[in-house]
Amino acid sequence: GAVVSQHPSWVICKSGTSVKIECRSLDFQATTMFWYRQFPKQSLMLMATSNEGSKATYEQGVEKDKFLINHASLTLSTLTVTSAHPEDSSFYICSARDRGLLSVGNTIYFGEGSWLTVV
Amino acid sequence: AQSVTQLDSHVSVSEGTPVLLRCNYSSSYSPSLFWYVQHPNKGLQLLLKYTSAATLVKGINGFEAEFKKSETSFHLTKPSAHMSDAAEYFCVVSDRGTDKLIFGTGTRLQVFP
Repeated sequence: GAVVSQHPSWVICKSGTSVKIECRSLDFQATTMFWYRQFPKQSLMLMATSNEGSKATYEQGVEKDKFLINHASLTLSTLTVTSAHPEDSSFYICSARDRGLLSVGNTIYFGEGSWLTVV
Repeated sequence: AQSVTQLDSHVSVSEGTPVLLRCNYSSSYSPSLFWYVQHPNKGLQLLLKYTSAATLVKGINGFEAEFKKSETSFHLTKPSAHMSDAAEYFCVVSDRGTDKLIFGTGTRLQVFP
């Protein structure tokens, strides 16, 4: 079945540095990928929609200059947290939709998630 | 706009007893609804989905959910809980216009021996 892979699973970085998280669709092409963040014991909040070959669409309240999203190919989207601060520490999850599925409500596959800790 | 409300933040059951996780939705048209499970420190796994076909949807691991339009509900059930079912469960609605997923607040299922 379809698999979405995220890397790294865990990352610790110093405050002020940047960190990149990758999201790959392993056996299908994804024109659209989504990035979510999840604080401990809370639900998932959509951060942005990543569109292959075009700019990402950010949700209200999400700083696009801080959370850089690049979707350069049909199988890879990256999220870069720039100038990270401790409050950016969170669980980041990506999801991807198979471009072969046409109807609304298609299965969307999630990555395993990436834990970011900023110290 | 679509939304989902998970009525219970925590549910505790004994192993072997039935599970009921409640979800109500709000949508201006026929929605696409999902249940996802998240085990501790893990990503999300799709349990089942409803996309305007059969109203009783069977998923993985013995779970099923019934879409009831009259009650705007999509409750998740399982006849007999296993210890391995202990996890966080999310009811999710798909935004038809954008394919975004809108998550409920989650229900933490505890299973006692």
